[in-house]
Amino acid sequence: GDSVTQMEGPVTLSEEAFLTINCTYTATGYPSLFWYVQYPGEGLQLLLKATKADDKGSNKGFEATYRKETTSFHLEKGSVQVSDSAVYFCALSEKNTGKLIFGQGTTLQVKP
Amino acid sequence: DTAVSQTPKYLVTQMGNDKSIKCEQNLGHDTMYWYKQDSKKFLKIMFSYNNKELIINETVPNRFSPKSPDKAHLNLHINSLELGDSAVYFCASSQPGQGSNEKLFFGSGTQLSVL
Repeated sequence: GDSVTQMEGPVTLSEEAFLTINCTYTATGYPSLFWYVQYPGEGLQLLLKATKADDKGSNKGFEATYRKETTSFHLEKGSVQVSDSAVYFCALSEKNTGKLIFGQGTTLQVKP
Repeated sequence: DTAVSQTPKYLVTQMGNDKSIKCEQNLGHDTMYWYKQDSKKFLKIMFSYNNKELIINETVPNRFSPKSPDKAHLNLHINSLELGDSAVYFCASSQPGQGSNEKLFFGSGTQLSVL
């Protein structure tokens, strides 16, 4: 079945550092891809998405590009802030069912 | 106004008990979900309802029974609680067919601890 794999966390960075969280997927066809963010004590929120190859999703300074050739959707941000500390989930939408399949989550800790 | 609200936020109970978690959404969405998040933050879908009809039922023990009295509510009842049921349970909703089928709106979670 379809699956999503993210890099292991936690990722610890200093403020203003560059962030990359890797995400790769296995799927039949070309699913839509997503990044969700979970701040402490809260539910997940959609951060960005891309629905077809070479699309770039962006929001709040975060970006991710749908790479069909490498089946990847890596999350990047040029300069992280303490307020970005959260758990980040990569996800895909199964084409047949529309069901969201999540990766295992990557915890980001940003220190001042 | 909270879009997706679930109660209680914390639930501590003994093994063998029966408990319920309630979820309500005021977004007018047709589809609602229950997800389970384990201690390693892994998130897995349990159930999905569309307009009160069950459409996704993952491999979940029969002790878990969702109930949707109307499309704005999806409750989760758990019988004979076990230690392994300890997790955070998230309710979510979405509105299919409007180009945002996969955008889920999550509640803030119910942390269940079985002692």
